[in-house]
Amino acid sequence: QVQLQESGPGLVKPSETLSLTCTVSGGSISSGSYYWSWIRQPAGKGLEWIGRIYLSGSTDFNPSLKSRVTISLDTSKNQFSLKLSSVTAADTAVYYCARAGTTVTYVGPFDSWGQGTLVTVSS
Amino acid sequence: EIVLTQSPGTLSLSPGERATLSCRASQSVSSSFLAWYQQKPGQAPRLLIYGASSRATAIPDKFTGSGSGTDFTLTINRLEPEDFAVYYCQQYGSSPRTFGQGTKVEIK
Repeated sequence: QVQLQESGPGLVKPSETLSLTCTVSGGSISSGSYYWSWIRQPAGKGLEWIGRIYLSGSTDFNPSLKSRVTISLDTSKNQFSLKLSSVTAADTAVYYCARAGTTVTYVGPFDSWGQGTLVTVSS
Repeated sequence: EIVLTQSPGTLSLSPGERATLSCRASQSVSSSFLAWYQQKPGQAPRLLIYGASSRATAIPDKFTGSGSGTDFTLTINRLEPEDFAVYYCQQYGSSPRTFGQGTKVEIK
């Protein structure tokens, strides 16, 4: 069974870049059967999709964050990563990585999630 | 962007009762690409329903999804203590992917 695990600093200073990595175990990112996403959730609030990446390197981002987001893939380490630049307190949230299955015609829902990691933006 | 509006915000029910949760989309959700997730405190969301009405792996049949177009419903029969949680709907028919704001099912 696939497992996803987020890692990275829990504290980031305002105006700096938030960097997180998701390590996938029990399955291969290189299979080509999935899209790999980042989703975040401020404390006590709802879920916000940040963006996703496919094996080919193709990416898609939430327009609300697009100018500040980079998502990349490292197939040799079975990992994908998130960078969010110019962070403010509004970026404080639990960040999840998640997997969505894909077919020729569509990309499905998020069927596997990491446990989440809290990132606080504060000086 | 498709906006999903869930109602009610909070549902107060007793164990054994039925919960009916609503999710309304600002525009038609393509091919009923609508999912429901359950989230308990301190945990990641768990996929319950996809394709508006198909149960995900290992999800008991007490959870039923229905609807199409812009109106979707999640019904939970015979509430048990472990069912009290927050439930989110999510559309995956268009980008950006969007979630509803959630419905909290709490013990009355």
